[in-house]
Amino acid sequence: DQQVKQNSPSLSVQEGRISILNCDYTNSMFDYFLWYKKYPAEGPTFLISISSIKDKNEDGRFTVFLNKSAKHLSLHIVPSQPGDSAVYFCAAVVGAGSYQLTFGKGTKLSVIP
Amino acid sequence: ETGVTQSPTHLIKTRGQQVTLRCSSQSGHNTVSWYQQALGQGPQFIFQYYREEENGRGNFPPRFSGLQFPNYSSELNVNALELDDSALYLCASSSRAGVGGYTFGSGTRLTVV
Repeated sequence: DQQVKQNSPSLSVQEGRISILNCDYTNSMFDYFLWYKKYPAEGPTFLISISSIKDKNEDGRFTVFLNKSAKHLSLHIVPSQPGDSAVYFCAAVVGAGSYQLTFGKGTKLSVIP
Repeated sequence: ETGVTQSPTHLIKTRGQQVTLRCSSQSGHNTVSWYQQALGQGPQFIFQYYREEENGRGNFPPRFSGLQFPNYSSELNVNALELDDSALYLCASSSRAGVGGYTFGSGTRLTVV
């Protein structure tokens, strides 16, 4: 049973446009969500997070939106750059102090120059 | 400040053998977690160590075991290897509560034949 789902295995976006990556979850106990970026041959790198008490968190070009009632979150990248091309993982935890991340399968973003 | 380093980067083992993977935590980090990432999947939590004690475990059988040493480096041991154990094994360390502080290593690619 997959508790964190990223239903789009891949996404292609033109440079300068918006990239929207989606994530759904089923476990209502999750209360902290994170996005990681992973380049080939490297480990995942933390990108941005959001607590369930918020519906939006912004950091530069990256914004994460959380819709608790729909159990859905999304990552917006504006404007998209070729260096953003990577695999993006959505992850969730029960309790921000927990270390046990539950990951989705990832979405491979390709930003086309 | 050095990051998280894992060794070896790649290795091939035969079914039924035993393997030990190593992780050097980032300086100052006292918590380490291990994740298994099968091909096409997101990382899956194996277990976590804090101050040399296991204090969290995912849905993995007992043949997956670990150690954390006084210098906070860590080992992941897998006995009686199975073909399905073929995966990328990621180590992550942190110095503070909460997954936002995770730093991942680049992983060890294990192939079981």
